[in-house]
Amino acid sequence: KAGVTQTPRYLIKTRGQQVTLSCSPISGHRSVSWYQQTPGQGLQFLFEYFSETQRNKGNFPGRFSGRQFSNSRSEMNVSTLELGDSALYLCASSNGQGRPNYGYTFGSGTRLTVV
Amino acid sequence: AQKVTQAQTEISVVEKEDVTLDCVYETRDTTYYLFWYKQPPSGELVFLIRRNSFDEQNEISGRYSWNFQKSTSSFNFTITASQVVDSAVYFCALSEAGADSWGKLQFGAGTQVVVTP
Repeated sequence: KAGVTQTPRYLIKTRGQQVTLSCSPISGHRSVSWYQQTPGQGLQFLFEYFSETQRNKGNFPGRFSGRQFSNSRSEMNVSTLELGDSALYLCASSNGQGRPNYGYTFGSGTRLTVV
Repeated sequence: AQKVTQAQTEISVVEKEDVTLDCVYETRDTTYYLFWYKQPPSGELVFLIRRNSFDEQNEISGRYSWNFQKSTSSFNFTITASQVVDSAVYFCALSEAGADSWGKLQFGAGTQVVVTP
């Protein structure tokens, strides 16, 4: 069974640009969550999608957005990139409507560097 | 407010020593789940264990064991007879069971474990 796949693995962007990251969940998983990991702030929850609907959102500016497709694949977009957006972006997928008793499986992440 | 606290920033041990990682959490929910994840240098978060708030039974799984105490809101994790491959950052995480928390983990700051031969 394939795991959670995130593409690309590495990305370098210029300040002011926008970027789109992709996450393909484990087959059958319909809940996808996104996290930002930085040395200063640690692992922070961005948002969660289930059945193409955003159910929960963390405390991030509107430049951070996402969506989920009918096949449960999810994308997150960051517009007007800032240097502080440099981070490892992780996604996790879950079965069972995203309930914690089903656990969360993470991908390898996309490392974004903003220059 | 920080809901998960991992006070230890880094722990260094020599191979075969035991390592205990501390985790203290805060929640008002009566139903919640606690997790431990390992993050090797590759970056992926690897699931280790999950416990729910109604199960305080402490268990051992291979070289891993955990001590869950609701009275002190602690969920400590022990690696017995550490190996170099255990070197990683370990994260404790909390997930509250309410529907408005589904899909959301709240992580501690992580503890870097360094195991030297």
